[in-house]
Amino acid sequence: EPEVTQTPSHQVTQMGQEVILRCVPISNHLYFYWYRQILGQKVEFLVSFYNNEISEKSEIFDDQFSVERPDGSNFTLKIRSTKLEDSAMYFCASSEVATETQYFGPGTRLLVL
Amino acid sequence: ELKVEQNPLFLSMQEGKNYTIYCNYSTTSDRLYWYRQDPGKSLESLFVLLSNGAVKQEGRLMASLDTKARLSTLHITAAVHDLSATYFCAVEKNFGNEKLTFGTGTRLTIIP
Repeated sequence: EPEVTQTPSHQVTQMGQEVILRCVPISNHLYFYWYRQILGQKVEFLVSFYNNEISEKSEIFDDQFSVERPDGSNFTLKIRSTKLEDSAMYFCASSEVATETQYFGPGTRLLVL
Repeated sequence: ELKVEQNPLFLSMQEGKNYTIYCNYSTTSDRLYWYRQDPGKSLESLFVLLSNGAVKQEGRLMASLDTKARLSTLHITAAVHDLSATYFCAVEKNFGNEKLTFGTGTRLTIIP
């Protein structure tokens, strides 16, 4: 069964460093998303992406964040200058169309020291 | 702003018992999802509820939606240990809006 994959599974970084989280959505899906989950808390929407542009973003998704689809398969989330409060599990999700179920990847656990 | 609340936040129940998790949301919405999350794992889609009165069942889990009351329920019948997980409801505010707003989650523990 097709699935969303994410790399790395864990990342430890120093405050102020840039990180890039990578996702490979399900191959025929057209809508891509990033969510995050701070430990023990609920899942929060960051951004949605369609047709090579951001379609919606939350207030969390400030200028430190960016997304990109550099080729036909990868979808990346970049955090330019990480802060301690960016420590969380980051989930990528994809859906075939906007109105269908979003399928989530296994997540990248980011720890900022 | 759309708010989604679940209760209870924690639920410990014995095997074989029945219980219900509740999901309330604050504004009208077109669809509601239930996801399951095992510790340290991703979110697994369980149900999509599209319209008022929708009811879906899979094994020991049954989900329903009342859009007038802005309420969804996830009912567990004759619980077994492998249902232990955190359950999230998530609401899509407008058809095609894409963004999911998640509830606080219910951590369910089934005790033998």
